[in-house]
Amino acid sequence: DADVTQTPRNRITKTGKRIMLECSQTKGHDRMYWYRQDPGLGLRLIYYSFDVKDINKGEISDGYSVSRQAQAKFSLSLESAIPNQTALYFCATSDSERGYLKGNEQFFGPGTRLTVL
Amino acid sequence: LAKTTQPISMDSYEGQEVNITCSHNNIATNDYITWYQQFPSQGPRFIIQGYKTKVTNEVASLFIPADRKSSTLSLPRVSLSDTAVYYCLVGDIRGGSYIPTFGRGTSLIVHP
Repeated sequence: DADVTQTPRNRITKTGKRIMLECSQTKGHDRMYWYRQDPGLGLRLIYYSFDVKDINKGEISDGYSVSRQAQAKFSLSLESAIPNQTALYFCATSDSERGYLKGNEQFFGPGTRLTVL
Repeated sequence: LAKTTQPISMDSYEGQEVNITCSHNNIATNDYITWYQQFPSQGPRFIIQGYKTKVTNEVASLFIPADRKSSTLSLPRVSLSDTAVYYCLVGDIRGGSYIPTFGRGTSLIVHP
């Protein structure tokens, strides 16, 4: 079973709709992240959470919100989807408690392909 | 935050050694250098991480000069399956101020 799962894997929605992307992890990691990737571009950080009570904006948080319901769950919401939010979205986790060699390693989910019409 | 610069793309052939260099002129004392690999439509995968000198694992080697202002990921005898995007990241994720920044990465295409 995958350690980091994302649902749904694919979603087509219409402009103005509210949608939620969900991420769950069984790795026991404290830190979780949401990224988006557009064709030909790298990953851009949307939000990140270092623990359940700590949520921070990334470089492109406008138009998005998140919820850290539990250590294992981190959801991304688009309150009113727009076409330029069409992208591939990745959730990732990392563990701040591991040794220094592993502290910088992030584990990624399979991604959610979102299309906003 | 340390900024990284790496080539946009590289081409190679099966069986060759590939070296991808990343520049990070303002790397901080506590920063580590981490490389990820991403295949199309998949999330990035950790390859290797180092602080100084040389690190080697079953996938790659990472060479870091004494001044740490650059690093080179070395992939020995590449195959078609090594075609991917490679990202260089610099930072200290243990610290509360670290924000992982992937950039565009280097798109490596391995030809038959």
